[in-house]
Amino acid sequence: EIVLTQSPGTLSLSPGERATLSCKVSQSISRTYLAWFQQKPGHSPRLLIYSASKRAAGVPERFSGSASGTDFRGSGTDFTLTIDRLESEDFAVYFCHQSRASPWTFGQGTKVEVK
Amino acid sequence: EVQLVQSGAEVKKPGESLMISCETFEYTFDNFWIGWVRQVPGKGLEWMGMIYPRDSDGRYNPSFQGQIVLSVDKSTATTYLQFYSLKASDTAMYYCARHKGAGYCSGVNCWGFEVLDVWGQGTMVTVS
Repeated sequence: EIVLTQSPGTLSLSPGERATLSCKVSQSISRTYLAWFQQKPGHSPRLLIYSASKRAAGVPERFSGSASGTDFRGSGTDFTLTIDRLESEDFAVYFCHQSRASPWTFGQGTKVEVK
Repeated sequence: EVQLVQSGAEVKKPGESLMISCETFEYTFDNFWIGWVRQVPGKGLEWMGMIYPRDSDGRYNPSFQGQIVLSVDKSTATTYLQFYSLKASDTAMYYCARHKGAGYCSGVNCWGFEVLDVWGQGTMVTVS
């Protein structure tokens, strides 16, 4: 089973600041199969980023995804979600997710909270 | 607009069985795998399994194998998650979600599926 480890567990920031969330994968996966979700209390997860860096429909440009240290095939183990200039509606829990190999797995989540 | 609409909250006793539903709208039901995800209150997300409506091919997370079964009703474009014998530890929110695109499966394993792009609103199951 592929394990996704997110850090930090909690990020305390003020509106207008930048949030940087990390997702480390236990084995190299193609960026195609790495996604990020946002979840607010009482709501379903919402797809933000797919294929590591593509924004889903309607997702603001302040959300961006990236991969570092990928090989020539675009595979790697280190993925990042960045939220530029946090807005009030961005304070939520964020999960990374892989669908490269079953069982699909999720990271344990990073909570972005108001400082 | 593509939508997945789930059945309402349930309260059951240990040992009882349960079937919850996920009705889909505004896309070709046959063509997309539907997955199910569990979220224990205050915890993370766990993928339980998925089903391909065209041929009812079901694939399960080994952690849930034997405890649940997935099925479809093509006439109503609905997917079902059935629990054989509920336990208190099954108390959770259950989400259905559509896979944007399919990869391939061989034996018990699958690879390279596209993201879960549209999610239902969730069904809360309480076992007590």
